[in-house]
Amino acid sequence: KNQVEQSPQSLIILEGKNCTLQCNYTVSPFSNLRWYKQDTGRGPVSLTIMTFSENTKSNGRYTATLDADTKQSSLHITASQLSDSASYICVHPDADKLIFGTGTRLQVFP
Amino acid sequence: EAGVAQSPRYKIIEKRQSVAFWCNPISGHATLYWYQQILGQGPKLLIQFQNNGVVDDSQLPKDRFSAERLKGVDSTLKIQPAKLEDSAVYLCASSLVDLAYEQYFGPGTRLTVT
Repeated sequence: KNQVEQSPQSLIILEGKNCTLQCNYTVSPFSNLRWYKQDTGRGPVSLTIMTFSENTKSNGRYTATLDADTKQSSLHITASQLSDSASYICVHPDADKLIFGTGTRLQVFP
Repeated sequence: EAGVAQSPRYKIIEKRQSVAFWCNPISGHATLYWYQQILGQGPKLLIQFQNNGVVDDSQLPKDRFSAERLKGVDSTLKIQPAKLEDSAVYLCASSLVDLAYEQYFGPGTRLTVT
């Protein structure tokens, strides 16, 4: 069973709308929680890394939240743009390796 | 700062042929990772180097996959012979020391085995 679960699997929204992606993890103990954006045909690019003491962290129009008690994280995208179309992957380190979620495929249409 | 470089970007081969991928990590990064990403899935770690030593190769199919990192800088990943199920994107990543530091990914090599 994957220790990092993401939902939804895919999402379609209109340009300018907001959306929220979810990540539930069971990896323990907590280390940090990372969100990556992966454009089609490209490698993942880090959006944010959240530590235990951080509940919210923003990177431009991207805002990540973390609830370490419920082991949930979310990525909120504000005022979506066509360039936000990509896969968004939630990642949690486990000992000496990274545990990747299967990602949420976001498509933004004009 | 230059990113992680990979080549080739695309490769199409027939099953049972061999193929090699090259990776040049960010200058000064001690740790290098090779991942396999099958369409619709997250990356799966194949092998991790720290400098020129292997830290983890537990998920590397050693009967057909091999990797080396000479002089602790560039790395090559080889598949011989390739199978249809090897069709995937092969990502190289590097980090300054280990997983406590951010990983930077290259653009990947898309391999199609026919």
